[in-house]
Amino acid sequence: DGGITQSPKYLFRKEGQNVTLSCEQNLNHDAMYWYRQDPGQGLRLIYYSQIVNDFQKGDIAEGYSVSREKKESFPLTVTSAQKNPTAFYLCASSITGDPGELFFGEGSRLTVL
Amino acid sequence: AQSVTQLGSHVSVSEGALVLLRCNYSSSVPPYLFWYVQYPNQGLQLLLKYTSAATLVKGINGFEAEFKKSETSFHLTKPSAHMSDAAEYFCAVSGTYNNNDMRFGAGTRLTVKP
Repeated sequence: DGGITQSPKYLFRKEGQNVTLSCEQNLNHDAMYWYRQDPGQGLRLIYYSQIVNDFQKGDIAEGYSVSREKKESFPLTVTSAQKNPTAFYLCASSITGDPGELFFGEGSRLTVL
Repeated sequence: AQSVTQLGSHVSVSEGALVLLRCNYSSSVPPYLFWYVQYPNQGLQLLLKYTSAATLVKGINGFEAEFKKSETSFHLTKPSAHMSDAAEYFCAVSGTYNNNDMRFGAGTRLTVKP
């Protein structure tokens, strides 16, 4: 089955530690995205990539980093510079030029202890 | 820049009753509009989208939405609620074919009472 796989589903981190969230897709989509979801705030875009080896900052990129070395993979690193990292993180992908057809993974819930 | 406002963070209906979830948008260009559904601890799934074709858009699971330019609205409706409709619903707007400018509303949690 085609889809997006995020791992881990749940993650606990101590303050000051970096953590990397994995996102893999086998849909052959060019574009991939990372969103952060907080209660009552909807989804906010962290980073996006429309092609391999290129990515752009979204609305809330501070304290996060990404890479896009392969079409299938778009990992997100939450660095110690992110002041409030506890959240639900969602990865998505889409065909370039197809408005709205975002395909989402099941999310990763990060809790900072 | 685009934005959406969802009126009501929580909506509760009885099983079999009409579902109405409200969304108003703001956009400086003709918008593309979307409704997504999210079940607990899962990602979002596209319910339906408006991309400047018919103003009444039908989606999955019996949902539909009507684009009203004069009211800048894109409300989601379903004639008869089912227990399985309980979830969180997000309205979203985009001004281009590039999904990177899509903006989501804060969400409306739908509860269905037996």
